[in-house]
Amino acid sequence: QSALTQPPSASGSPGQSVTISCTGSSSDVGAYNYVSWYQQHPGKAPKLIIYEVTKRPSGVPDRFSGSKSGNTASLTVSGLQADDEADYYCASFRVSRVFGGGTKLTVL
Amino acid sequence: EVQLVESGGGLVQPGGSLRLSCAASGFTFSDYWVDWVRQAPGKGLEWVANIEPDGSGKYYVDSVKGRFTISRDNAKNSLYLQMNSLRAEDTAVYFCARNRGWFSLDLWGQGTLVTVSS
Repeated sequence: QSALTQPPSASGSPGQSVTISCTGSSSDVGAYNYVSWYQQHPGKAPKLIIYEVTKRPSGVPDRFSGSKSGNTASLTVSGLQADDEADYYCASFRVSRVFGGGTKLTVL
Repeated sequence: EVQLVESGGGLVQPGGSLRLSCAASGFTFSDYWVDWVRQAPGKGLEWVANIEPDGSGKYYVDSVKGRFTISRDNAKNSLYLQMNSLRAEDTAVYFCARNRGWFSLDLWGQGTLVTVSS
């Protein structure tokens, strides 16, 4: 099973916005509105920040937002803060669950 | 406190076996699917397996089918991963995670490191 495709890196300055893409196929991202996003700081467990494409768990700031068009999902982080520097992974429901390869977000 | 705590990791020789455990607390464990996800050193996340709330359905990534077995004991609020015929490429931190549905993993343990090496 191939992972979903994410850019390996992204960056932005504090206060700016950055968007991370996640490209799958008509069997996963395109087939279901069940894309989730995870934030992982070094040495820590992943944290769910977006589920079902656009929904935020309680406690996640509204600076984090998700969207989807066709086979590509996107995570936008607005008003970048230093603590947003982390690895971000997308995931999609499919017959065999799949994660993206991860994107390292750097806050300049 | 709502949490998941993994245990059972360690160093094992290729071809060996290991059993991971995940203890749940602070929520009704039997209401949820639960997943195992692993992360090789310096690499991304890889879904390994999951299990339905009553244990009736079990699903695996192709690379572990026939070698790993996921199970749960709802009376003990515990999840397990029996890993046999271990290979070097199984070396990773193994996380258990609560699945709120449709592969949205909303609660994660801290992870346990499995190292397969001679």
